[in-house]
Amino acid sequence: GENVEQHPSTLSVQEGDSAVIKCTYSDSASNYFPWYKQELGKGPQLIIDIRSNVGEKKDQRIAVTLNKTAKHFSLHITETQPEDSAVYFCAALSGGYQKVTFGTGTKLQVIP
Amino acid sequence: DTGVSQDPRHKITKRGQNVTFRCDPISEHNRLYWYRQTLGQGPEFLTYFQNEAQLEKSRLLSDRFSAERPKGSFSTLEIQRTEQGDSAMYLCASSLGLANYNEQFFGPGTRLTVL
Repeated sequence: GENVEQHPSTLSVQEGDSAVIKCTYSDSASNYFPWYKQELGKGPQLIIDIRSNVGEKKDQRIAVTLNKTAKHFSLHITETQPEDSAVYFCAALSGGYQKVTFGTGTKLQVIP
Repeated sequence: DTGVSQDPRHKITKRGQNVTFRCDPISEHNRLYWYRQTLGQGPEFLTYFQNEAQLEKSRLLSDRFSAERPKGSFSTLEIQRTEQGDSAMYLCASSLGLANYNEQFFGPGTRLTVL
């Protein structure tokens, strides 16, 4: 089955700096890669996603890149703000039943 | 608020008791998923429904676990003879059943503590 690895596990940045989270996946059949933000006591919330036929996608301060050959994808957050502090999960979707495999999460702390 | 609701939000039970959780998906979504999340980990897939049909189950779903979606709307997840290792957050998600539409909307979860 699919295996998703995520690094780093924790990340502290100064407000205004950029944050980068990297993930790798194992199943070459995976074709959809969502990123979720999870705040304390809440369920994961989708913040951006990318399909396997696209190399990069951007939404305001958030961007995601995908390298299918190397099987890795990354989340970039620019101009970080304290409200960006949360746990971020990458994920990969494969199989006919839309099964999503999550990474282990990155706890991002933005220091004011 | 994603529109997916779960009840209860918290459940404390003693080892050996049975517990049941409910998930109400977004009304037009015909796909429904259950995940389990332990502290410091990402959610792990448990099972998936398309309408009322349970189409896939993870090996994590032992015979003490059962899930239903009787009318293709809300779903229940029951754990029988709970064990301390069952303590976790149980998350429900729903999605539209359209080709190439993959976004899953998560509920707030039910946090289970088994004493």
